[in-house]
Amino acid sequence: AQKVTQAQTEISVVEKEDVTLDCVYETRDTTYYLFWYKQPPSGELVFLIRRNSFDEQNEISGRYSWNFQKSTSSFNFTITASQVVDSAVYFCALSERNYGGSQGNLIFGKGTKLSVKP
Amino acid sequence: EAGVTQSPTHLIKTRGQQATLRCSPISGHTSVYWYQQALGLGLQFLLWYDEGEERNRGNFPPRFSGRQFPNYSSELNVNALELEDSALYLCATKPHDRDRWGVNSPLHFGNGTRLTVT
Repeated sequence: AQKVTQAQTEISVVEKEDVTLDCVYETRDTTYYLFWYKQPPSGELVFLIRRNSFDEQNEISGRYSWNFQKSTSSFNFTITASQVVDSAVYFCALSERNYGGSQGNLIFGKGTKLSVKP
Repeated sequence: EAGVTQSPTHLIKTRGQQATLRCSPISGHTSVYWYQQALGLGLQFLLWYDEGEERNRGNFPPRFSGRQFPNYSSELNVNALELEDSALYLCATKPHDRDRWGVNSPLHFGNGTRLTVT
């Protein structure tokens, strides 16, 4: 069965600290996609990154970086030098490719609430 | 380019009533997904429509239903409202993945409709 676990419910850091948000997933499929979304207080989910299962290359985008490790079924997200504007709920999500080629729905973790204090 | 728009922003109903929520996709997007975000439960997948057809359904009772119109906009209907239906309902859209092995497009989310059942 598909499952995404974000064990950290809430994290609080002081500005400029680095913080890592953990994500562990379960899937029976060999082809799947992993995503991270940010949900600020306004409510809208903002897409951050997509990674497919055959690309284990880590990615860096500014202060954000992602570490994908198939061996441990993890897709962790690190914010370097955190800022107050990073305060939000962050969701990790999994999508499998159904037979026939169409993507099924996203399975979300329960989210990690990040609070960055000045 | 206009994003995903949802209406109304807030909706207050009483137990037993019916609620109708609406979603307009980004131009060119044919797939519409509905998610429920209830307090403490994270994002739960409700329904997926693609090109007018219901493609997948989450673990919700039949009183949650919807449809997709020829212009790809969508409605979510919740009948016989219960107190626990109070939640943020998020709509997300994406282009149809016609290429079986193509890149899995990320979902683009609207701001949601906050449904309160009293």
